[in-house]
Amino acid sequence: AQKVTQAQTEISVVEKEDVTLDCVYETRDTTYYLFWYKQPPSGELVFLIRRNSFDEQNEISGRYSWNFQKSTSSFNFTITASQVVDSAVYFCALSVDGGSQGNLIFGKGTKLSVKP
Amino acid sequence: DAGVIQSPRHEVTEMGQEVTLRCKPISGHDYLFWYRQTMMRGLELLIYFNNNVPIDDSGMPEDRFSAKMPNASFSTLKIQPSEPRDSAVYFCASSFRPRRYEQYFGPGTRLTVT
Repeated sequence: AQKVTQAQTEISVVEKEDVTLDCVYETRDTTYYLFWYKQPPSGELVFLIRRNSFDEQNEISGRYSWNFQKSTSSFNFTITASQVVDSAVYFCALSVDGGSQGNLIFGKGTKLSVKP
Repeated sequence: DAGVIQSPRHEVTEMGQEVTLRCKPISGHDYLFWYRQTMMRGLELLIYFNNNVPIDDSGMPEDRFSAKMPNASFSTLKIQPSEPRDSAVYFCASSFRPRRYEQYFGPGTRLTVT
């Protein structure tokens, strides 16, 4: 069975602080894909990044960076110099090649509040 | 480029009424998904289509829920009769080969059943 755990339910930081959102996944499949989505207060779900299980390179996009470590089954997301606009719920998700095509397994989400 | 389009954005209805939610996927995407989001259960996949054909509807909560995709550019999710416990945000998403590619979500329909 597959599972995604986001242990941090809520995080509150002050603007310009760095913050890391944790994501731990479980799967026995050797081929799988990991995703992060952002859900701002307006409600839409915005795709941020996709990683496949064969690519452990870390990714950086502006103030965002992702650390994928297969050894610890983690795919953590760091926001550097956080801004108020980063306030949102962030979801980590997993899909596997051996599963149903539509089986995008979401974590429960981490609510990030960035205060000015 | 237009993203996934959903209508209405908000729907308030009384218990027992029929509700129809609509979705237009991104052009060229051959997979379409319907999700429901609640505080208690998070994001749940209800049903998904591939090339307009329903593939997995195991997430549809009960017979009151039905979904159709008459063509590649349109899908509906219908609840008849609606109940207060159906109150949630309903998302439509579309994708190309979703195991390997991201799903793009619409803005959602916030449904309130009184």
